[in-house]
Amino acid sequence: AQSVTQLGSHVSVSEGALVLLRCNYSSSVPPYLFWYVQYPNQGLQLLLKYTTGATLVKGINGFEAEFKKSETSFHLTKPSAHMSDAAEYFCAVSDRAGGFKTIFGAGTRLFVKA
Amino acid sequence: GAGVSQSPSNKVTEKGKDVELRCDPISGHTALYWYRQSLGQGLEFLIYFQGNSAPDKSGLPSDRFSAERTGGSVSTLTIQRTQQEDSAVYLCASRGESGANVLTFGAGSRLTVL
Repeated sequence: AQSVTQLGSHVSVSEGALVLLRCNYSSSVPPYLFWYVQYPNQGLQLLLKYTTGATLVKGINGFEAEFKKSETSFHLTKPSAHMSDAAEYFCAVSDRAGGFKTIFGAGTRLFVKA
Repeated sequence: GAGVSQSPSNKVTEKGKDVELRCDPISGHTALYWYRQSLGQGLEFLIYFQGNSAPDKSGLPSDRFSAERTGGSVSTLTIQRTQQEDSAVYLCASRGESGANVLTFGAGSRLTVL
């Protein structure tokens, strides 16, 4: 069965600093991988996704993530944090073996300090 | 409709009462998911409907929880004999056949059990 582990329930960075949110997954077959973001008092929205092909994927607001099969990881990065990036970020996995059921990690809350 | 619609947006109930939460997915979306979001618990998978296939109920926490999807469209999540630990935001999401398995979420139904 698929599973997702997000390391760190809370991450705090200074404005302008690198953002790194970690995600490791478990899947018996090639996975689809996602990052969703939930801004305060808003619904979840897709940030970026990996399906096939290029392993470095770019999303909205300057975020990107790299699929590393050997490490079963899909870490999310942004070179320079902005105050507006403060939100909760969820990594998710879906695969054919699971009937494309989507499983989410526990989430990482990102705090950005001025 | 243009998005995923959930009702009620807020529900306060007394312990032991039954509640029904409704989800109207995006028109034409064949897959529908229910998740539960509790403080600090991330997104917990509850149930997944895909077309005419039998639903994946593997995430339902107890037999007090049930869900149905009528006519391949609207879904109702029912919680019987509510308990205080059922207090959470219940999120519905739908997915179309295209779009690489991306979920579109509703705004959620916040349930408070007194």
